[in-house]
Order: sequence, then C-alpha cells, then structure tokens
Amino acid sequence: QAGPTQPPSVSKGLRQTATLTCTGNSNNVGNQGAAWLQQHQGHPPKLLSYRNNNRPSGISERFSASRSGNTASLTITGLQPEDEADYYCSTWDSRLSVWVFGGGTKLTVL
Amino acid sequence: EVQLVESGGGLVQPGGSLRLSCAASGFTFTSYAMTWVRQAPGKGLVWVSTISSSGGSTYYADSVKGRFTISRDNSKNTLYLQMNSLGAEDTAVYYCAKDNSPYGSGSDDSGFDPWGQGTLVTVSS
Repeated sequence: QAGPTQPPSVSKGLRQTATLTCTGNSNNVGNQGAAWLQQHQGHPPKLLSYRNNNRPSGISERFSASRSGNTASLTITGLQPEDEADYYCSTWDSRLSVWVFGGGTKLTVL
Repeated sequence: EVQLVESGGGLVQPGGSLRLSCAASGFTFTSYAMTWVRQAPGKGLVWVSTISSSGGSTYYADSVKGRFTISRDNSKNTLYLQMNSLGAEDTAVYYCAKDNSPYGSGSDDSGFDPWGQGTLVTVSS
C-alpha cells in the first residue's frame, strides 16, 4: 500500500522558511487531507497538524499546514536548530480503507 | 496527562507469536480509535492496524492481514496486537497511538496523538 510521496530531504538555513510537501491522490490526500508529524532521532513521533490543518495545543505557530489538490504542505517559518528532524504526513485512503504514511522528509537546518 | 505505555516486545524466533499491549491513561479510552504503527530500524513509519472506539471496526495493512489481530479491552483501557507467523520483516519498534476520532477511518480533525514510547520486536533465530 504505497503512501503519499515526500521528498527524502530538505535543507534550509537558520531562520529561513521550509515548505515540505506530501503528494498523494484523489483517494487520500486529495479528499481526506493529511496530518503532519515530527520525529526526532530516538523519540516517538509528535503530531504537528491534524488532517483539517489545525494545530494541536502546544504546537508553535511557526508550523502551518495547508492543502492544494492532491498535495499537502507543511510550512515551517523561522527555522531553529531544534526543527531538524524527520517529518511525516499521514492520511486515510478512502478507496483502500487503510491509513498511509508518506516516506518522510529529513529536514536539515544549516 | 494523556499517556500510552506499550509492553510485550522482545526477541522471537521466525514463525513465532507475540502479543503487544498498550496501557492508556489520562483520557476517556472508550471515545477514541487506537492505532498501531511500526518503524523498522532506520526506516520510516508504517501503519499496521487501527480499531474503532467500540472495537466494532478494525483495519489492517495488507502486510499483516491474516497474521495480526488488533483488539481492545475498554474495561481495562488497554489496546492489544496479537502477532502470529512472525518473520524478519516484522522486526521494528511498534508504537501505539490515539486518534482524535472514534472512527477507525478518522474524521476531519483526525491525527495520531499522542504516541507511546514504543516497544521493540526482534524476529531472529
């Protein structure tokens, strides 16, 4: 069950803005939206954004999610060293009746 | 504080079985769907299975269908994953996570939050 496509890696400078993408199809991202998760090495994932693009309590406003067509995006403004992590999107595939994760993007803050 | 604590991982021989547990606290367990996700060493997150809040609906990844069984005991606030016919490809850290929806298929405000610390399952002879 192939999930949405995410670029394997993105590198940006300190205090810059990074936009991570998650491209699926009309059965998953296109009609279900996508949630976003952050995972630091050796730690469990943490939810950054629900499928409706809202942030859970306690998540910084520097993280914002959106969707256009079959592509979901996570924008991180004012990059900080602690933002260096792996980022995953997840969504429900309504045709296959399964949850799917993107392959993840490793964000490097230079 | 919402907390999920997995247990039951360990070393098992190929073809063997293992049952994972996830003890939940700090929220109304009966109101939320629960999910298992695994992560092989150095690899990405892979969804394994989800169960609705009532336990009436269950969903499985093709890779585990027929071998794994998800269940929950709402009287004990505990989620389970029975794993049979284990192979090397099942070696991973297994996480349990709470969804923000009672439905196994989620809802508009779905998201897996929080996650447990994970339990390592190693399948090797």
